[in-house]
Amino acid sequence: AQTVTQSQPEMSVQEAETVTLSCTYDTSENNYYLFWYKQPPSRQMILVIRQEAYKQQNATENRFSVNFQKAAKSFSLKISDSQLGDTAMYFCAFMTFWGDKIIFGKGTRLHILP
Amino acid sequence: GAVVSQHPSWVICKSGTSVKIECRSLDFQATTMFWYRQFPKQSLMLMATSNEGSKATYEQGVEKDKFLINHASLTLSTLTVTSAHPEDSSFYICSARDRARGASYEQYFGPGTRLTVT
Repeated sequence: AQTVTQSQPEMSVQEAETVTLSCTYDTSENNYYLFWYKQPPSRQMILVIRQEAYKQQNATENRFSVNFQKAAKSFSLKISDSQLGDTAMYFCAFMTFWGDKIIFGKGTRLHILP
Repeated sequence: GAVVSQHPSWVICKSGTSVKIECRSLDFQATTMFWYRQFPKQSLMLMATSNEGSKATYEQGVEKDKFLINHASLTLSTLTVTSAHPEDSSFYICSARDRARGASYEQYFGPGTRLTVT
C-alpha cells in the first residue's frame, strides 16, 4: 500500500521569502504521479504542480517548483517569492499510474507573514 | 474548463434523517468520480470511487449502507448519508476525472459540502 508523509504540520515564513515543504512517500510501483495541492480557507482544492515519476526533470509552475528524488522517494515543494495569497494548507499526494485513487498526506499549514 | 460543482454547499439536518449531496461535472464527462471526507484540520480521506453505470467501490471501513453513492450519468454523482448522526458531521468533497483525458490526469475537485447533523 502506498503512503504519503508530510513531516511539517505547520510553517511560517515572511512574505517574499522562499519556503520548502517536505514530502516523502512509499510505493513499490515504478510509474506513478505526484501532486501538490493547495487548500485555502475556502477549502477548494487547487492543483499547484504535478510530476510524472517517469520524468527526471523537476516540474515547475511559475514560483512553484519541486525537487523530485525518485530513489529517495522524496517530493518537496519550493515556493519562491512567497505571497500572502500562498497562505493555505498544502497537501502532497500520490496517484497510481492507472489513476484509481489519490492518496493524500496529512498536510502542511503554511502561513505567509506580512 | 474542468469545473466541478457540489450542491448544497452547506446543509444542516436533524439526527436520523437522510441528506443527499450532488456532484456535477459542468463542462466535461466524468466516467469516474470520487468522494472524500475531511474532518477539521485533517487530510482528505477517500470514501468511495464511483463509476458511471456501476456500483461504487468503497474504501475499507466505510459503511456502504450508510453512505449511498449513485453515479447515474456521466456528469452527476450523488452521495446520500442515510440516518445521519452527529458523528457524520464533516466536510464532503467530490472529485471527477475527465473521460476525454484518461486515467493519467489529475482529478478535478468540487468546492465541498459542509454537513452538520444536529
